[in-house]
Amino acid sequence: DTGVSQNPRHKITKRGQNVTFRCDPISEHNRLYWYRQTLGQGPEFLTYFQNEAQLEKSRLLSDRFSAERPKGSFSTLEIQRTEQGDSAMYLCASTTAGLVPSPYEQYFGPGTRLTVT
Amino acid sequence: ILNVEQSPQSLHVQEGDSTNFTCSFPSSNFYALHWYRWETAKSPEALFVMTLNGDEKKKGRISATLNTKEGYSYLYIKGSQPEDSATYLCASFISSGSARQLTFGSGTQLTVLP
Repeated sequence: DTGVSQNPRHKITKRGQNVTFRCDPISEHNRLYWYRQTLGQGPEFLTYFQNEAQLEKSRLLSDRFSAERPKGSFSTLEIQRTEQGDSAMYLCASTTAGLVPSPYEQYFGPGTRLTVT
Repeated sequence: ILNVEQSPQSLHVQEGDSTNFTCSFPSSNFYALHWYRWETAKSPEALFVMTLNGDEKKKGRISATLNTKEGYSYLYIKGSQPEDSATYLCASFISSGSARQLTFGSGTQLTVLP
């Protein structure tokens, strides 16, 4: 399977615990996005990377959230001291882009559904 | 604040009916309009990326139009089939400064009844 993969697919955690999600993009894609989707809403942008550089972060991304993309390949999203409001589907997407803006379609993973109890 | 609106929120149609959905978006800093199809328990799948005013795209029984001046896009499905049941998301791609991001609407949930 050469698509975008995400692990785990489901995560249940207790409030206050830390969680980490992983995204493996399509190998030749240099741009990677993280989104959060809650019930009844569309995906909301969290952050994106071009290669290993994190170029933009949404104000939705509080200090408890951190994302990394070492070596410009896979990415991790960590949430520290989880709260019930963090319960959502976390989606990762990748695309290829050059130095100029490009509207290329994004290829999404299946998401990680987080439930904070 | 960039706001992408989709209507209707949900829709039930009979197999064989044709249907259409609306996506409206602010035209400032507009760069492209994306349509995605998201089936339950699967990944969102890109249908179209549209950039030019008046653009029309087609994939099988699904087509889309774009009006960037008035800020709307329509998605049409001809002869709906049960396998078309999914949530259809539109998203506006903005490019401003260092921002390169998609802003999604909340989707139209389509159910096609056999």
